Amino acid sequence: GAVVSQHPSWVICKSGTSVKIECRSLDFQATTMFWYRQFPKQSLMLMATSNEGSKATYEQGVEKDKFLINHASLTLSTLTVTSAHPEDSSFYICSAIRTAGVGNIQYFGAGTRLSVL
Amino acid sequence: GQQLNQSPQSMFIQEGEDVSMNCTSSSIFNTWLWYKQDPGEGPVLLIALYKAGELTSNGRLTAQFGITRKDSFLNISASIPSDVGIYFCAGRGGNQFYFGTGTSLTVIP
Repeated sequence: GAVVSQHPSWVICKSGTSVKIECRSLDFQATTMFWYRQFPKQSLMLMATSNEGSKATYEQGVEKDKFLINHASLTLSTLTVTSAHPEDSSFYICSAIRTAGVGNIQYFGAGTRLSVL
Repeated sequence: GQQLNQSPQSMFIQEGEDVSMNCTSSSIFNTWLWYKQDPGEGPVLLIALYKAGELTSNGRLTAQFGITRKDSFLNISASIPSDVGIYFCAGRGGNQFYFGTGTSLTVIP
């Protein structure tokens, strides 16, 4: 079953509104979560690394004031797209790092499709 | 961020055929992971590899961690229609994960 839950799976909003996406690790604690953006038929593009209890680390070119990340607990990170515009329409995917016996594994949420009208 | 070289970019095969894809990197990795992504879904982990030379199977899937730690391959044997999707490799160096560009697989019944 899923080990990372992402909600909502699909959201449609008007231009100028803000949208919050939640990412939860199920039955494990994740001090580190990642947020990705994916365009059609392309690979995952890392937007930011979310660290529990501290500020997120954003990749170059990603506006931190537009994509607000909050990692308030060991099982929850949120991404808020502020003042969304049509060009923000995309597929957003979160992931969480689970420490396994011999190494770390990254598990992904099911993704959120954002459509900004 | 860094992206891994994944090939082939796309494959069209007949049902029952075997499939092979690989990833290469200029950097050494501690972990190699293979994921499958269906349309509109997040990637799902298929196989995780932790040691150079490691060969691991998951059903009809087999993956290997290259000896140089800079490459990995994934084989799918006796493909079936539900194998259709995009396959991504990922390598972990330190606390960073890097992804391949993906291999789109189409299986023709």
